[in-house]
Amino acid sequence: GNSVTQMEGPVTLSEEAFLTINCTYTATGYPSLFWYVQYPGEGLQLLLKATKADDKGSNKGFEATYRKETTSFHLEKGSVQVSDSAVYFCAQSNTGNQFYFGTGTSLTVIP
Amino acid sequence: DTAVSQTPKYLVTQMGNDKSIKCEQNLGHDTMYWYKQDSKKFLKIMFSYNNKELIINETVPNRFSPKSPDKAHLNLHINSLELGDSAVYFCASSLGGVGNTIYFGEGSWLTVV
Repeated sequence: GNSVTQMEGPVTLSEEAFLTINCTYTATGYPSLFWYVQYPGEGLQLLLKATKADDKGSNKGFEATYRKETTSFHLEKGSVQVSDSAVYFCAQSNTGNQFYFGTGTSLTVIP
Repeated sequence: DTAVSQTPKYLVTQMGNDKSIKCEQNLGHDTMYWYKQDSKKFLKIMFSYNNKELIINETVPNRFSPKSPDKAHLNLHINSLELGDSAVYFCASSLGGVGNTIYFGEGSWLTVV
């Protein structure tokens, strides 16, 4: 079946630290992969996406590379800021009609 | 203009009441969804409609009934509210097709007392 597994949080980092949030997926075929971010009190917003193997999605200093061989799409940022504190969701979709989300990883960045 | 808008944003109501949450999208998308997010931020799909037809109907109590009058609207009606229904409900929409993105509304915070 289709599913997404992402590392459990919460994650607490100091400002300017390196961030990695792991995400792996199981799917039939080759899905599109997404990272969404949810700031407190808001809905989910698309952070970045990749639609085929070896694609790298990037936005606001965040990056993730679609790795077919390891079925992974890990989210990274070289230097986090307090404003990056949020919940991050990994997701996949084969069809664009059905999306599978991970359980979310809460990130807190302290000054 | 807000792409996916849902109302009300906050709703506090007593057990046993019936309430509705409305959702509209102005993106021209064919598919709309309702998700429930619990206090641990876990996101669960409830329903999905494509061009007004139900395509996903997850294990949800019969007290929850979605209605799609047209492809731009998907409303959620909840009967006989229970304490466990307290959650954030998100409406979302997507164009469909490989690689397309799902867009979320701001959420409706439902508290049942």
